Amino acid sequence: EAQVTQNPRYLITVTGKKLTVTCSQNMNHEYMSWYRQDPGLGLRQIYYSMNVEVTDKGDVPEGYKVSRKEKRNFPLILESPSPNQTSLYFCASTPGLAGGVGRRETQYFGPGTRLLVL
Amino acid sequence: DQQVKQNSPSLSVQEGRISILNCDYTNSMFDYFLWYKKYPAEGPTFLISISSIKDKNEDGRFTVFLNKSAKHLSLHIVPSQPGDSAVYFCAASLDDKIIFGKGTRLHILP
Repeated sequence: EAQVTQNPRYLITVTGKKLTVTCSQNMNHEYMSWYRQDPGLGLRQIYYSMNVEVTDKGDVPEGYKVSRKEKRNFPLILESPSPNQTSLYFCASTPGLAGGVGRRETQYFGPGTRLLVL
Repeated sequence: DQQVKQNSPSLSVQEGRISILNCDYTNSMFDYFLWYKKYPAEGPTFLISISSIKDKNEDGRFTVFLNKSAKHLSLHIVPSQPGDSAVYFCAASLDDKIIFGKGTRLHILP
């Protein structure tokens, strides 16, 4: 079954304790992305990756890191989490660049990771 | 600075009637627009899209209209069904970035 998986689904942590949220897709997609969803703010793009070893900042990259060592995995790293990073996080992937991520392509989203930073 | 705006946080529509969800944008360079639907506890799912060179795209009960001069797009759902109750996000793409609106919660009333 084609899917995007995220782990963990729920996480409670404390300020400053490094954490990683994993994201994996089994569709051989080139483009992957991380979003956060906050009440009243909708979905905001954190980082995206056009392909292996190619990553770029989205709209709200501060406090986050990503890596893309393999095509299927795109982990989100919070080196020193803070309470303002409490949010619902979504990973997404798209088949290919083919003239741009939006053109004739759709993003497949994971189920989300709910993070609470105390 | 919000580049993609969905000014109605919620909308209630009678089952069987037309639902119209609106979206405004500020950046005329956006080249593709998308609508996503989201149920609670799930990730968003793609619904329909439209290229900036078109003014209408239809897929079954869903039609998206683009008015570039007004920098406005709308999603029409006809007829509305109970399963359409969800949060709908408008999104726009530019240079491989995707920018989402805040979403509109659609309630389909029996």
